[in-house]
Amino acid sequence: QQQVKQSPQSLIVQKGGISIINCAYENTAFDYFPWYQQFPGKGPALLIAIRPDVSEKKEGRFTISFNKSAKQFSLHIMDSQPGDSATYFCAASLNSGGSNYKLTFGKGTLLTVNP
Amino acid sequence: DAGVTQSPTHLIKTRGQQVTLRCSPKSGHDTVSWYQQALGQGPQFIFQYYEEEERQRGNFPDRFSGHQFPNYSSELNVNALWLGDSALYLCASSFEGASGYTFGSGTRLTVV
Repeated sequence: QQQVKQSPQSLIVQKGGISIINCAYENTAFDYFPWYQQFPGKGPALLIAIRPDVSEKKEGRFTISFNKSAKQFSLHIMDSQPGDSATYFCAASLNSGGSNYKLTFGKGTLLTVNP
Repeated sequence: DAGVTQSPTHLIKTRGQQVTLRCSPKSGHDTVSWYQQALGQGPQFIFQYYEEEERQRGNFPDRFSGHQFPNYSSELNVNALWLGDSALYLCASSFEGASGYTFGSGTRLTVV
């Protein structure tokens, strides 16, 4: 049972464009939704995270939009740069993201930003 | 400030063998979680250790076991290796009571 579904599997964007990655979750008890960025040969690194009491969170060029009723959330990367080329994972967890939580990941989106 | 350190970085084992992977958490972190990331997939939770005890476990067989030492470092052991165990094994550390993991760069295990 895949609890977090991520799309698209891959995405190609021109430099300066907007990259949009979508995720849907099934477990309504999830209450912490982070996005991770992973470069080849490296572990995932936390990019930005949101809790369901807000509908949007912005940090620099990265924005999470959250729709609780639809059980969906998305990552928007504005002014995409070649250095943003990486694999992006959405995830979800219980317990408000406290340190004893486990993360349930989506399958990832390979983003390529062309110069 | 060193982050999460994992060793070895790469490992090749034969089916049926046993393997031990090691993890040193980020300074100040006391909780260690292990994830398995198959090629082209998202990481899957194996288990978590806190105060030297397994606190949570994902859907992995008993062939997967672990340990946490008093200095918070951790080991992941896999017995009777299958070809399907080939993956990147990620260690993540965190501090009890705080949110957010720090992942290591992983150990790439290949079973032949």
